[in-house]
Amino acid sequence: QKEVEQNSGPLSVPEGAIASLNCTYSDRGSQSFFWYRQYSGKSPELIMFIYSNGDKEDGRFTAQLNKASQYVSLLIRDSQPSDSATYLCAVKGNNNDMRFGAGTRLTVKP
Amino acid sequence: GAGVSQTPSNKVTEKGKYVELRCDPISGHTALYWYRQSLGQGPEFLIYFQGTGAADDSGLPNDRFFAVRPEGSVSTLKIQRTERGDSAVYLCASSPQGAGTQYFGPGTRLLVL
Repeated sequence: QKEVEQNSGPLSVPEGAIASLNCTYSDRGSQSFFWYRQYSGKSPELIMFIYSNGDKEDGRFTAQLNKASQYVSLLIRDSQPSDSATYLCAVKGNNNDMRFGAGTRLTVKP
Repeated sequence: GAGVSQTPSNKVTEKGKYVELRCDPISGHTALYWYRQSLGQGPEFLIYFQGTGAADDSGLPNDRFFAVRPEGSVSTLKIQRTERGDSAVYLCASSPQGAGTQYFGPGTRLLVL
């Protein structure tokens, strides 16, 4: 079992719709959770982080964490074509090591 | 301020050669991470430095890979006897402290022929 699992996609949504990206992790001791966006040929850039159970909102983005289910998700409201990218879920353990999922490729169609 | 920088941006080498990849973190960041990313995959953790010491090197795939950070700032990832399977993008990230947000550099694209 991989430590961090994501659906590889591609996930395609129309412009203006909500995109929902999901991630599960295996290490129950994981402390913090991150979503990165990566455009093709570029390095990852941080979108959001979340430490506590529940929802965290930042503009059009909402991160959701459920530690009991070992599940973290990212919702993108009012999706734009510029949101088209690969979204990486990352989980940090007690030792500050970061483990990434393989990423979900999102396409937002105009 | 300046972000994380990595040199070279691209490196082509022959199988069996030795390569060094350099990472210059954001000034003042004590934590530095190295990752390797293959096409279609997420970044794969290699090693994490806190200051000058390697706090976690469990991700280094074998003893051909070694990294140093002698003065707690710039880091060098060294790969001996390169193999074609080492071809990937090598990413460096830094954070103000181990628990902080990581900021990535542009990466070094290594191609082993």
